[in-house]
Amino acid sequence: EPEVTQTPSHQVTQMGQEVILRCVPISNHLYFYWYRQILGQKVEFLVSFYNNEISEKSEIFDDQFSVERPDGSNFTLKIRSTKLEDSAMYFCASSESPGGSGYTFGSGTRLTVV
Amino acid sequence: GDSVTQMEGPVTLSEEAFLTINCTYTATGYPSLFWYVQYPGEGLQLLLKATKADDKGSNKGFEATYRKETTSFHLEKGSVQVSDSAVYFCALSDRPGGSYIPTFGRGTSLIVHP
Repeated sequence: EPEVTQTPSHQVTQMGQEVILRCVPISNHLYFYWYRQILGQKVEFLVSFYNNEISEKSEIFDDQFSVERPDGSNFTLKIRSTKLEDSAMYFCASSESPGGSGYTFGSGTRLTVV
Repeated sequence: GDSVTQMEGPVTLSEEAFLTINCTYTATGYPSLFWYVQYPGEGLQLLLKATKADDKGSNKGFEATYRKETTSFHLEKGSVQVSDSAVYFCALSDRPGGSYIPTFGRGTSLIVHP
């Protein structure tokens, strides 16, 4: 069964450093998403991406964050200058169409900022 | 805005026990409702969904009924197995006046002992 692949599974970084989280969505999917979950809290929407541009973003997705689809297969989330409160599990998802029923999620990247 | 509230976990049960995980929601429109499951080391997977009032979603022995009058979508299973141990996420997707982007709860961890 097709799956969404996220790398790395766990990343530790120092505060102020840039990190790039990588995702390979399912090949025929057109919509891509990033969510995050701070430990013990809700899964929060960050951003959706369609047709090579951001289609929606939440208040969390400020200027420190950016997304890119650099080569037609990878979908990346960059955090420019990490803060302690960026420590969370980051989930990538993709879908053929918008809406909640067709999403396929990756297994997540646990980001720890020290 | 839209929100989803789930019961706190972990829920710890013995094998063959009855399971209920409560979920209530607030939404501006008429949402579709979902349960996702995350097994250890894997991504979130759609478990079941319901798109209108009184619909019952079901899959793998799990059921949830869309109750508009109580704004609830509680997850139930008559006899849990050790393999059901996972984190369960309630979610909604609400387009009219809002967005297709699903809103998730914080997840409820289920631990089933032999």
